[in-house]
Formats: sequence, C-alpha cells, structure tokens
Amino acid sequence: GAVVSQHPSRVICKSGTSVKIECRSLDFQATTMFWYRQFPKQSLMLMATSNEGSKATYEQGVEKDKFLINHASLTLSTLTVTSAHPEDSSFYICSVLPGLAGGPTSTGELFFGEGSRLTVL
Amino acid sequence: SQKIEQNSEALNIQEGKTATLTCNYTNYSPAYLQWYRQDPGRGPVFLLLIRENEKEKRKERLKVTFDTTLKQSLFHITASQPADSATYLCALGNDYKLSFGAGTTVTVRA
Repeated sequence: GAVVSQHPSRVICKSGTSVKIECRSLDFQATTMFWYRQFPKQSLMLMATSNEGSKATYEQGVEKDKFLINHASLTLSTLTVTSAHPEDSSFYICSVLPGLAGGPTSTGELFFGEGSRLTVL
Repeated sequence: SQKIEQNSEALNIQEGKTATLTCNYTNYSPAYLQWYRQDPGRGPVFLLLIRENEKEKRKERLKVTFDTTLKQSLFHITASQPADSATYLCALGNDYKLSFGAGTTVTVRA
C-alpha cells in the first residue's frame, strides 16, 4: 500500500516562531494532498487542499497567511505554521490521494501520514 | 450545514463479541462512505469504502452497511479481539473531499 511520511512527528516551539511540517508521498506521485488538524477527542478538520504547482485551496475559517502550504513537487507538500501561538497547538495530519483527483484511478481512499504533534509554549 | 454523528464516544465489549458502530449524517448526500481506524497519536488507516449504490461490504471480520434512505452506516467488527481496540472514524465524501465524524473508541476486554 501507499506510504506517506510526515516529519517531524513532534515539535515544541516558542510562541511567535514558525514551524514547518513536511508530508512526503513515498510510493506514488500525488497531485493532491490534504492537511487536517485534530483536537483531542474531535474529528479531523480539513484545513486545506494542496495542489501540485498551484495555490492551495483553504477551507472557510482557515487563515491562509498563517498556515502556508507549498506543494512544489508531486511527492512533497509542506505546511508552515507562522507566528505560532498556544492555540495552534494541535495534531496536524496530511493525507495523499492516489492518482488524479476525480480520475478513474481515484477511489477516494486517502493514505494518511503519521501526524505531527505541535505544542506551542 | 452537514452534520456527521457517530453513535457514542466509547464502546466497551468482551472479546469474541460483535461491536456495532453507527454513523448518521444529515444535510448531505455522499457518493461514498469510508471507515478508518485510528490508534492514539497516529494517523487514520483506511479500512473499507462503500458507495451509495451498495448496501453492504465485507472485509475479513469487518462488515459495513450503507442506508442512504436512513442516512446511516453501520460498522460491525465480528469476533472482536483486544487488538481491535482503537478509535473508528466514519468519513463521507463526494468527489475527493472527505468529512469525518468524531469517532467511536472501542475497547475490547480479554
């Protein structure tokens, strides 16, 4: 099956600093990746859809200037939390959609990374 | 706005019994529904997908039903084992975007 690598798995930073999280698709090219955040005992909330070679599509209520997404290649998407504050502390998870979005090879199944636990002091 | 509800936050069952989890949704007409397993501190792992024109799907000890009239999916784990202890998430989708429920945590006692 697909393997998605997410790094770092845990990060602790001071308030006001920026943190970059990487998501790599190891088994196949991914035109589309997704970034979620998850608070304890809550569902995964989609933050944005990362599209290779173009701007990310953000969900309503997600600040695009605070959560910068770059999808420069078909195997790598990065999420940068800028000027992090304690309320940004959360579990951030990326996922990869195999094949072209909506295409015949796409069944909608997502392959998730292991997640990144961000703690902002 | 669309809403996805999973029956209970936690389910405790005896090993060997069948665990039944419920996923209800409103204000949504998904093309497919998926179930994922999530262990603490880990990303979700895909288990099963069922499409709107399918009534039931099975995979080993797992069974999923999908009733688009009731707007409900049932997820069954038969002959449960302690290793099945995890949080199970239902997710609904159209095209390629998924919306997740909050999950039900299953604990299987030996």
